[in-house]
Amino acid sequence: KQEVTQIPAALSVPEGENLVLNCSFTDSAIYNLQWFRQDPGKGLTSLLLIQSSQREQTSGRLNASLDKSSGRSTLYIAASQPGDSATYLCAVRPSYNKLIFGAGTRLAVHP
Amino acid sequence: GAVVSQHPSWVICKSGTSVKIECRSLDFQATTMFWYRQFPKQSLMLMATSNEGSKATYEQGVEKDKFLINHASLTLSTLTVTSAHPEDSSFYICSASQDRGGDTQYFGPGTRLTVL
Repeated sequence: KQEVTQIPAALSVPEGENLVLNCSFTDSAIYNLQWFRQDPGKGLTSLLLIQSSQREQTSGRLNASLDKSSGRSTLYIAASQPGDSATYLCAVRPSYNKLIFGAGTRLAVHP
Repeated sequence: GAVVSQHPSWVICKSGTSVKIECRSLDFQATTMFWYRQFPKQSLMLMATSNEGSKATYEQGVEKDKFLINHASLTLSTLTVTSAHPEDSSFYICSASQDRGGDTQYFGPGTRLTVL
């Protein structure tokens, strides 16, 4: 059974710091991995999607890497800003029509 | 583009009553819609997948008679929580995809259900 774990569960940092959020999954047989952002009481916004054949994806200050064989992904946030404060969710797609989510990392960036 | 709405955004009901939550794709046709439930500080858990015009496919452990899903059109799916109890209180999120594989899912803003 696929399980997704995210570490740390919560993180509080001063503005400007570079951050690394971690995601691990137990079964390496995945189609892709996706990072989402969720603001309090809101839905999800897709940030980055990495196909199983890819090693990383970048969008602006965000960079996500994938090591499928070891079951790990990291989301790197450069020069963090207060507006980055949110919960970051990692999800793997193990099969047709299904996403398995981690519990998320709650990030607070203070001025 | 690719906007998904949910209504209501929050609802409070008495134990034993039924609650209907709507999920609409506003600017695209959603062949497949997904319903998730999220408890505080926990993962989103997939409850069921529905394809337009077909019966929903429920995940293991989800009671199909309690959580009724209807996907009657390409832009609307509804989730009805029947005979709601306090343990059903949760954040319900839908997503919609233009393809049956759900390769790209667009998520709604969620509905907060509180059962007293």
